[in-house]
Amino acid sequence: NAGVTQTPKFQVLKTGQSMTLQCAQDMNHNSMYWYRQDPGMGLRLIYYSASEGTTDKGEVPNGYNVSRLNKREFSLRLESAAPSQTSVYFCASSADLILSYGYTFGSGTRLTVV
Amino acid sequence: GNSVTQMEGPVTLSEEAFLTINCTYTATGYPSLFWYVQYPGEGLQLLLKATKADDKGSNKGFEATYRKETTSFHLEKGSVQVSDSAVYFCALSSNSNSGYALNFGKGTSLLVTP
Repeated sequence: NAGVTQTPKFQVLKTGQSMTLQCAQDMNHNSMYWYRQDPGMGLRLIYYSASEGTTDKGEVPNGYNVSRLNKREFSLRLESAAPSQTSVYFCASSADLILSYGYTFGSGTRLTVV
Repeated sequence: GNSVTQMEGPVTLSEEAFLTINCTYTATGYPSLFWYVQYPGEGLQLLLKATKADDKGSNKGFEATYRKETTSFHLEKGSVQVSDSAVYFCALSSNSNSGYALNFGKGTSLLVTP
């Protein structure tokens, strides 16, 4: 029972480089989410996908793009990384649209931009 | 929009002490409420939830009651253990025209000492 799998777990980028964070879930969930976690800020929603083929902006979408490749996979792309994007990134998925059951989270990707 | 406010930490307690972590919310409609726990270096795990007023969520000795009259969802445990040391997040479901997401508080760090 893998749940939500994120890769990579750690990454160091130079300013201006690009990269894609991968997320896959094997629970047949329709909805998937990307959050970033910063000290003292809690978790902030970057983008989400309510269902396959749809994506929407969250609270802090600037500097990011997403792709819902299929029902299982939801990737987050940084086109030109900036030090302000240094953070821990979490992917999550949900079994139901109205979130009665909450989320299942991945273990996170710790990204440092130098 | 919907939001939660939880007490600032860190909270330091001795083993077997009583724990309360306060959480209040602002919401339109009838959101579901959640407590998540994050152990060092890990992702967030669902601790408990409540989906309607007066519901009590419970798990692993932790409890929280959905109080609509006081817009609160305080987390309590009668006797904490060293293994309860973690960061605790209060969250509520929030909907927009595009779908639902969870809004998280900033987290409360708990340290339990022997």
